[in-house]
Amino acid sequence: KNQVEQSPQSLIILEGKNCTLQCNYTVSPFSNLRWYKQDTGRGPVSLTIMTFSENTKSNGRYTATLDADTKQSSLHITASQLSDSASYICVVPANTGNQFYFGTGTSLTVIP
Amino acid sequence: DSGVTQTPKHLITATGQRVTLRCSPRSGDLSVYWYQQSLDQGLQFLIQYYNGEERAKGNILERFSAQQFPDLHSELNLSSLELGDSALYFCASSVVLGGNNEQFFGPGTRLTVL
Repeated sequence: KNQVEQSPQSLIILEGKNCTLQCNYTVSPFSNLRWYKQDTGRGPVSLTIMTFSENTKSNGRYTATLDADTKQSSLHITASQLSDSASYICVVPANTGNQFYFGTGTSLTVIP
Repeated sequence: DSGVTQTPKHLITATGQRVTLRCSPRSGDLSVYWYQQSLDQGLQFLIQYYNGEERAKGNILERFSAQQFPDLHSELNLSSLELGDSALYFCASSVVLGGNNEQFFGPGTRLTVL
């Protein structure tokens, strides 16, 4: 069964600290994996798209890693800011690109 | 601003009613996707259109239908509404079909069924 699981469900960290969010997937065949940031009540915004051949990809203070062998991805946030408070969602499309499997997200709260 | 627009922003209606949600994709994007986000279920893929044709169906109820018009805007029709249909409905668009294309999400329509 195609699934995407994220952990932790929620996370509270101090401003300036780093954190790592996890995503495990069983979607097959694999095409790519996406991380989105979603502020409360707003549409998701793409952070990274990682293909099978990519191990690491950075977008500013966000760094995503992908291990296609173990079917795991992580999103590392460096030097967190209050504006990083949001839900982070991992998405894996089916290889056809016409079906999308969403994780339930990690809710991150950054406190001063 | 993603360039994807959705109307209305908020919608409050009663059970049994029918509503239509509208989405205009980014200029040049041919593919439109609809998603439902409930508090307890996260984002659920509903349906995808490409250049006016339905291309994929996800967890879309039979009471729901959608279409994409020649000008590429799309509408999601929800009928015989139930309390459980209360959710945020997002539209997203991408340039072409295919899994590697980035999707750009609209601001969503918040539907409340009373």
